[in-house]
Amino acid sequence: AQKVTQAQTEISVVEKEDVTLDCVYETRDTTYYLFWYKQPPSGELVFLIRRNSFDEQNEISGRYSWNFQKSTSSFNFTITASQVVDSAVYFCARDYGGSQGNLIFGKGTKLSVKP
Amino acid sequence: DGGITQSPKYLFRKEGQNVTLSCEQNLNHDAMYWYRQDPGQGLRLIYYSQIVNDFQKGDIAEGYSVSREKKESFPLTVTSAQKNPTAFYLCASRGQVAYEQYFGPGTRLTVT
Repeated sequence: AQKVTQAQTEISVVEKEDVTLDCVYETRDTTYYLFWYKQPPSGELVFLIRRNSFDEQNEISGRYSWNFQKSTSSFNFTITASQVVDSAVYFCARDYGGSQGNLIFGKGTKLSVKP
Repeated sequence: DGGITQSPKYLFRKEGQNVTLSCEQNLNHDAMYWYRQDPGQGLRLIYYSQIVNDFQKGDIAEGYSVSREKKESFPLTVTSAQKNPTAFYLCASRGQVAYEQYFGPGTRLTVT
């Protein structure tokens, strides 16, 4: 299976700092989808964003922004002016390819934002 | 409200017993998924179903079984053949158009 790598296991920042979570993926496909999910302490995964491989534009949503670079197979996630409520485990994922919509997840990055 | 429910939140069983985890969705989604999450690990796919009365094995299906008799429901049975059943189990569903999956709150299973 094509892997998704999140090299940062844990990150700790102080509130209001900016933080970037890295995601590198493997692919042999020309068309694929990438995703980010947030898992707060409650355990439920919350969908944050989906990105189509044809769309390399960066996206910003409030304090969140995503940088997609096909040349380096990376899909990094930046939180600007972090807040304590951002503390969670963040997962990057990509689809398997094909029509089943199955996802391959990275192992996650645990972000701790301290007041 | 539309969403995915999993019950119970916490489940305790003795070794050697089968246990069934519930997953219900009212999002009218065709596809449903079961994942297992272990501490410090990503999610691993156990089973998935694209349509009622059909399902396929994921990466770690051994020791698990599922059924999909209704569109809304996709229960997972953890059998006594599963060697390390203690884990956090997450159910998800996906609509026909979108590729993102939506997740339930999870069931934490402890087998002693």
